[in-house]
Amino acid sequence: AQSVTQLDSHVSVSEGTPVLLRCNYSSSYSPSLFWYVQHPNKGLQLLLKYTSAATLVKGINGFEAEFKKSETSFHLTKPSAHMSDAAEYFCVVSDRDTDKLIFGTGTRLQVFP
Amino acid sequence: DAGVIQSPRHEVTEMGQEVTLRCKPISGHNSLFWYRQTMMRGLELLIYFNNNVPIDDSGMPEDRFSAKMPNASFSTLKIQPSEPRDSAVYFCASSSRPTSGSYEQYFGPGTRLTVT
Repeated sequence: AQSVTQLDSHVSVSEGTPVLLRCNYSSSYSPSLFWYVQHPNKGLQLLLKYTSAATLVKGINGFEAEFKKSETSFHLTKPSAHMSDAAEYFCVVSDRDTDKLIFGTGTRLQVFP
Repeated sequence: DAGVIQSPRHEVTEMGQEVTLRCKPISGHNSLFWYRQTMMRGLELLIYFNNNVPIDDSGMPEDRFSAKMPNASFSTLKIQPSEPRDSAVYFCASSSRPTSGSYEQYFGPGTRLTVT
């Protein structure tokens, strides 16, 4: 079965400092992985996706994630946090047997001025 | 592209009333998903359709919940009768699986349901 584990429920950073949101996955086959962002009172927006092409994936708003098979990780990073990055972030893996997405429990990112 | 459209954006109703949530998927997408999000339970998949056919409704909480997709551009989620514990944000999402081979789903803005 496919699953993802988000290692931090909350992350706090200062504006202008790097962001690291950690995600480990479990999959019995080569996975498709995603990061979604949800701003307060908004829907979920796709940040980026990995589908077995390049292992370093660039997304919107300066975010990127690196697929590391040896570590079964797909951590999300950004070099410099902005106040507008404050949101909930979900790491997601696809289940190709059911066409469903399996969501992590989310990481709430706070950005302080 | 207008994205996934949901209506209403907010719904306040009294216990026992019927509630109908509506969704218009992205044009050309052939899979549609209904989710529910609460603080306690997070994001839950209720039901999904491929080519207008319900594929998996195992997440539907009970018989009070029903969903239909009469055509490729419209779906409804109905709760009858509604209860206070149904209060949540309901999201609709669509994707181009299985046609495209891509799994990503695109979410609507959600309907915030409050049952008093």
